[in-house]
Amino acid sequence: QQQVKQSPQSLIVQKGGISIINCAYENTAFDYFPWYQQFPGKGPALLIAIRPDVSEKKEGRFTISFNKSAKQFSLHIMDSQPGDSATYFCAASSNNNDMRFGAGTRLTVKP
Amino acid sequence: NAGVMQNPRHLVRRRGQEARLRCSPMKGHSHVYWYRQLPEEGLKFMVYLQKENIIDESGMPKERFSAEFPKEGPSILRIQQVVRGDSAAYFCASSPGDRISGNTIYFGEGSWLTVV
Repeated sequence: QQQVKQSPQSLIVQKGGISIINCAYENTAFDYFPWYQQFPGKGPALLIAIRPDVSEKKEGRFTISFNKSAKQFSLHIMDSQPGDSATYFCAASSNNNDMRFGAGTRLTVKP
Repeated sequence: NAGVMQNPRHLVRRRGQEARLRCSPMKGHSHVYWYRQLPEEGLKFMVYLQKENIIDESGMPKERFSAEFPKEGPSILRIQQVVRGDSAAYFCASSPGDRISGNTIYFGEGSWLTVV
């Protein structure tokens, strides 16, 4: 069963624009929401993560917005750069450490 | 501090052969996860193990696939009698399993299995 739904499947953004990727979850036991970035031929790498006790977390150009009541969270990439072109996965886990991933979003940032 | 180490990075097997993929977690990590990624697709959870225990294998195919994480040595994902549909990237991840340390899992670089 798909416990984390991610959209869009692919996204094309102009350099300098804002990239927005959305995720929704079903299991209210989830209490940790990371985003991973994956380049072709590489393993996913942790980008940024949030816990439900805050509604927003920002690290550089990357921001997670979290809406606990709606069970949704999103990744915003400000001033998107061609080097940001990668596949992004949202994920969610609970205190048993079991982590579930969204289907991924392939981001292309055009110069 | 070495990351999650997977080997082999690339493996070619003929249909019907066995594939063994190895994963050494990060130092101090006692939890291991295996995920499968088909071309152009997302990460599909397969199995979650702690030392000598399988915690969750709900994503493992019922036949031909098995995983272990012995007291000593790496975790091993074993695929018997491989078929072309098993061709994929298999990622291992590890975590400290400590709530204080958080739930973050760290991935290896993957093992790419090609069945010919």
